[in-house]
Amino acid sequence: DQQVKQNSPSLSVQEGRISILNCDYTNSMFDYFLWYKKYPAEGPTFLISISSIKDKNEDGRFTVFLNKSAKHLSLHIVPSQPGDSAVYFCAASAQGYGQNFVFGPGTRLSVLP
Amino acid sequence: DGGITQSPKYLFRKEGQNVTLSCEQNLNHDAMYWYRQDPGQGLRLIYYSQIVNDFQKGDIAEGYSVSREKKESFPLTVTSAQKNPTAFYLCASTPGQGLYGYTFGSGTRLTVV
Repeated sequence: DQQVKQNSPSLSVQEGRISILNCDYTNSMFDYFLWYKKYPAEGPTFLISISSIKDKNEDGRFTVFLNKSAKHLSLHIVPSQPGDSAVYFCAASAQGYGQNFVFGPGTRLSVLP
Repeated sequence: DGGITQSPKYLFRKEGQNVTLSCEQNLNHDAMYWYRQDPGQGLRLIYYSQIVNDFQKGDIAEGYSVSREKKESFPLTVTSAQKNPTAFYLCASTPGQGLYGYTFGSGTRLTVV
């Protein structure tokens, strides 16, 4: 049973437009969330995080929104660039479980020039 | 530059053989992790270690073994008991607290022939 879901395996967006990647979770104990970006044959790179005391966190072109009641978070990339084409993983953790994160299956983003 | 080094990048193994994947970090991180990635799935935790000479099983530890004799090193052995070892393996580390994002290595792709 997947505790962290990314229901869109892939997403295509035109360069300059907004990319929205979604993530849903089932465990209400999760209170810290991360987004990672991964290029082929490389390890994931940390992008942005959010804790459950906030509902939004921004870092440059990347913004993560958290809706705790819906157990949903989303990553917005504005404006999208071709270099953003990668697989994006959502990960969640509950402090009671220590620091072990549960990862979603990933969404492949393609930004078209 | 600080980081995590995984070697080799590609590894081929005959059925019935054990093989050891290397993971070394110079970040002075306390905690280290091994994950496995299969197509269409998120990262799954194999083993983790929060301090030297101590490690814990993750969600899919069967058929794997680890050691943590030094803070910098966390090698993973894929044994012949692992039924489906062909996968992409990622090593990661954190300073030790769950509020930090992971630093990942570039991964090892293991293929059983």
